[in-house]
Amino acid sequence: QKEVEQDPGPLSVPEGAIVSLNCTYSNSAFQYFMWYRQYSRKGPELLMYTYSSGNKEDGRFTAQVDKSSKYISLFIRDSQPSDSATYLCAMRDGQNFVFGPGTRLSVLP
Amino acid sequence: GAVVSQHPSWVICKSGTSVKIECRSLDFQATTMFWYRQFPKQSLMLMATSNEGSKATYEQGVEKDKFLINHASLTLSTLTVTSAHPEDSSFYICSARGSSGRNHGELFFGEGSRLTVL
Repeated sequence: QKEVEQDPGPLSVPEGAIVSLNCTYSNSAFQYFMWYRQYSRKGPELLMYTYSSGNKEDGRFTAQVDKSSKYISLFIRDSQPSDSATYLCAMRDGQNFVFGPGTRLSVLP
Repeated sequence: GAVVSQHPSWVICKSGTSVKIECRSLDFQATTMFWYRQFPKQSLMLMATSNEGSKATYEQGVEKDKFLINHASLTLSTLTVTSAHPEDSSFYICSARGSSGRNHGELFFGEGSRLTVL
């Protein structure tokens, strides 16, 4: 079993839809959870950074962490074509970062 | 957020030549930087962890003599692809981990460098 699992997609949604992106993990030592957005031919950009379980909201983005289920989610409300990118989840325990493979999202106008 | 500058953003070179890629943290100090390789439509593959003032730690299967990493200061790490071959063509990305202040522990990425070896 991989340390971090993420559905690679591609995921296509119409503009305005609510998008749900998810990752599961196996290492219970992970304490910090991140979501990165990567546009084609660009480096990843940090979107959300959360510590431990709970929700964190930033504009149209909501990050959710359920440590008991080892499951994290990123919700995008009112999705826009400019949200089309690859979304990578990442997590760390202390010093080590582990990335999911990324989900390719296309928001169709 | 903090800024990581990576240069050059793209480079084309002949087979057998060496190419150096720079990664700079512009507004924060980073004792640790990471180098990744990414193939089209695939995720990041960690190549090595670069620690300021010490030797880099390479992931299994990554040739340290092929991919030379130097982290001479708290804001600069370099990756040199030596004697490049067409199979080295890829997208190379660096990231820097903040070592103090409000960026402590967070990871910020450069824009990536696309290497094409002819």
